[in-house]
Amino acid sequence: GAGVSQSPSNKVTEKGKDVELRCDPISGHTALYWYRQSLGQGLEFLIYFQGNSAPDKSGLPSDRFSAERTGGSVSTLTIQRTQQEDSAVYLCASSPTWTGYGYTFGSGTRLTVV
Amino acid sequence: GQQVMQIPQYQHVQEGEDFTTYCNSSTTLSNIQWYKQRPGGHPVFLIQLVKSGEVKKQKRLTFQFGEAKKNSSLHITATQTTDVGTYFCLSNTGKLIFGQGTTLQVKP
Repeated sequence: GAGVSQSPSNKVTEKGKDVELRCDPISGHTALYWYRQSLGQGLEFLIYFQGNSAPDKSGLPSDRFSAERTGGSVSTLTIQRTQQEDSAVYLCASSPTWTGYGYTFGSGTRLTVV
Repeated sequence: GQQVMQIPQYQHVQEGEDFTTYCNSSTTLSNIQWYKQRPGGHPVFLIQLVKSGEVKKQKRLTFQFGEAKKNSSLHITATQTTDVGTYFCLSNTGKLIFGQGTTLQVKP
């Protein structure tokens, strides 16, 4: 597609349930990032995929969070046993290998844990 | 680890006034990017600076990269209500390090 696609756009879940968030990056973009943004806050790095390299998971806040990127394209961020503090907008961004063109962000998934 | 400090956190200006946001890094940056996030939207890439002392302009926006490549600024001349949003700087060391953002409010 023309842009980074994220789904669902909104997700309301009960505390303790698992959720999966999907990111479909721009075709051919080798780098993919997940961030989360709490209301009125900055962007918190979660995880980074670059090509076939091992992902940088250093930003994942707990072992309830995990992410995969299949075939170097679509990525799924999974949050297990959701907690209210997980409520945020989860943003995905992708870019080509070369720099200078910036990172293209998706519109995000707004997760609300009730 | 590397940190990028961005100030101010908030800025309220009257339409027509100028606005500047600053980013400072504890280490030398290979490059710096700037993004704008409108209320309720997602960050949108504005520009990348690479060279020491580089200055780039986009209409009323002027971007500067410091001589030591440790700081950068975004200056908006004669703000308009369409400039409202949060401006982030970003350094890329493999892991993207965002500044905390400066939220600009413009009073018409």
